[in-house]
Amino acid sequence: EADIYQTPRYLVIGTGKKITLECSQTMGHDKMYWYQQDPGMELHLIHYSYGVNSTEKGDLSSESTVSRIRTEHFPLTLESARPSHTSQYLCASSEAGDQPQHFGDGTRLSIL
Amino acid sequence: GESVGLHLPTLSVQEGDNSIINCAYSNSASDYFIWYKQESGKGPQFIIDIRSNMDKRQGQRVTVLLNKTVKHLSLQIAATQPGDSAVYFCAENRGYGQNFVFGPGTRLSVLP
Repeated sequence: EADIYQTPRYLVIGTGKKITLECSQTMGHDKMYWYQQDPGMELHLIHYSYGVNSTEKGDLSSESTVSRIRTEHFPLTLESARPSHTSQYLCASSEAGDQPQHFGDGTRLSIL
Repeated sequence: GESVGLHLPTLSVQEGDNSIINCAYSNSASDYFIWYKQESGKGPQFIIDIRSNMDKRQGQRVTVLLNKTVKHLSLQIAATQPGDSAVYFCAENRGYGQNFVFGPGTRLSVLP
């Protein structure tokens, strides 16, 4: 069952465009995360949030930004996309930081 | 630096055999571990977890073993089925307020 949704699933777009990847969860979880993952490779945490109005940078430096205006919504924005941003982006949520994360199915982003 | 890693990047097993996927961790403060399964085109899905006060935990066809002495975690899958083909990640949590750290993943291929 999908309680966390990511859109779009796939996006192919040209260099320099502004992109927003959407993530919504219906579980009322306070903590949300964004990971970057190259196919079949490990997950790298790029952003997370403890709750509304909270955003933190993760372990991997990223040129993206996030916002958390509502509990259920945690969008990720790239102001000017570059080919180096080509990757899969996974969103997740959890009740608390030490609880299992629920993942969306990801957005596969290709920058031409 | 401290990290979570996997001994084998790929594992091929015959259908019906048992599978063992290994994970090494280096942070002795880690007290909670999770195994995730990621099928192609999907986000990681929770399989089983174990806390540091346990050595073994069993689920349906899966068993997780924790050896704190050598900082080793393993996932055993009994009677492996084609549907078990996926990439498996271990994740460790290093204590209250910490984010999970994911290992690089092991690809399990089930041969007919």
